[in-house]
Amino acid sequence: EAQVTQNPRYLITVTGKKLTVTCSQNMNHEYMSWYRQDPGLGLRQIYYSMNVEVTDKGDVPEGYKVSRKEKRNFPLILESPSPNQTSLYFCASSSLAGEGVDEQYFGPGTRLTVT
Amino acid sequence: DAKTTQPPSMDCAEGRAANLPCNHSTISGNEYVYWYRQIHSQGPQYIIHGLKNNETNEMASLIITEDRKSSTLILPHATLRDTAVYYCIVRGNTPLVFGKGTRLSVIA
Repeated sequence: EAQVTQNPRYLITVTGKKLTVTCSQNMNHEYMSWYRQDPGLGLRQIYYSMNVEVTDKGDVPEGYKVSRKEKRNFPLILESPSPNQTSLYFCASSSLAGEGVDEQYFGPGTRLTVT
Repeated sequence: DAKTTQPPSMDCAEGRAANLPCNHSTISGNEYVYWYRQIHSQGPQYIIHGLKNNETNEMASLIITEDRKSSTLILPHATLRDTAVYYCIVRGNTPLVFGKGTRLSVIA
């Protein structure tokens, strides 16, 4: 089954304790992306990657890192989490075949609480 | 990318057609119109996309005006499970950017 998986689904942590949210897709997609969603603000893009070893900042990259060492994985790293990073996070992937033709698949989400 | 304007909320009676409008008056020639929806706090789900012709799939129909400055997503027979936030996105060769969308409530 084609899917994007995220782990963990739920996480409560404390300020300053480094954490990684994993994202993996089994569709051989070139493009992967991370979003965060907050009440009243909608979905905002954090980082995206067009292919292995290629990453770019989205709209709200501060406080986050990513890496793309393998095509299927795109982990999101919070080196020193702060309470304002409490949010619902989504990973997504899509192919880049054809101009504008890309259905983006989203993971189930990771609900992060930083106290 | 062109910006889009959608009403913040709409209601629709169950079994009736839901028509969700989207304005994108600054769309350029190589930009597509995409629709996604998000049910509660699940990951957004792709619905349909188009360039200038009307499109239909098993979920919905997309009607794009001839000047491409606006479009309408049509759910032909809305059910309670179609209650969601619907996002209209216009993009060319750049990543998707989600606005605030339209919250559709299907009412029994």
